[in-house]
Amino acid sequence: LAKTTQPISMDSYEGQEVNITCSHNNIATNDYITWYQQFPSQGPRFIIQGYKTKVTNEVASLFIPADRKSSTLSLPRVSLSDTAVYYCLVGEQGADKLIFGTGTRLQVFP
Amino acid sequence: ETGVTQSPTHLIKTRGQQVTLRCSSQSGHNTVSWYQQALGQGPQFIFQYYREEENGRGNFPPRFSGLQFPNYSSELNVNALELDDSALYLCASSLGTEAFFGQGTRLTVV
Repeated sequence: LAKTTQPISMDSYEGQEVNITCSHNNIATNDYITWYQQFPSQGPRFIIQGYKTKVTNEVASLFIPADRKSSTLSLPRVSLSDTAVYYCLVGEQGADKLIFGTGTRLQVFP
Repeated sequence: ETGVTQSPTHLIKTRGQQVTLRCSSQSGHNTVSWYQQALGQGPQFIFQYYREEENGRGNFPPRFSGLQFPNYSSELNVNALELDDSALYLCASSLGTEAFFGQGTRLTVV
């Protein structure tokens, strides 16, 4: 299973763009990159998933370079409510047997 | 709201006791997974059920067991509770790419 490495924590201010980078050097050909968000005392929530290049939805963008050894989750214009832990996961497409790391704790300040 | 409901929300048990946690999955989702999340850590995969059969298990001892019912709801049973079993237990249901998590059951073993 591909291991992921991401920063333990990040700080930002309201209205700024936040980019969280995840390293996954041993990603397999069949693996997808998925990001989840988790608020305290709640279950994780799916944000975005991608395989290559760029994926964008109403919440975030996911940038994946050609070698796929890293990826960057981009949150445009964060607000206080974006304060949460963000997990980068690598694995087969689908929601089976998810492998979570320790995530990145994002703190957004006023 | 994810449509996944867990009960109870909080529970206190004594070491050596047994506990049953319940999960009602999102309508139509035939796959249910259970995760254990210790404080400050990411969720750890316990096992998964697909159409009432166990379909994968993480690195947890046999005293962690489960069931899935014909309506796809599920139970997690833990026997001979240990202090280290204190954690947030998360249930997730899925039908494809995205996992939908419940709010979890906070189990405290004293």
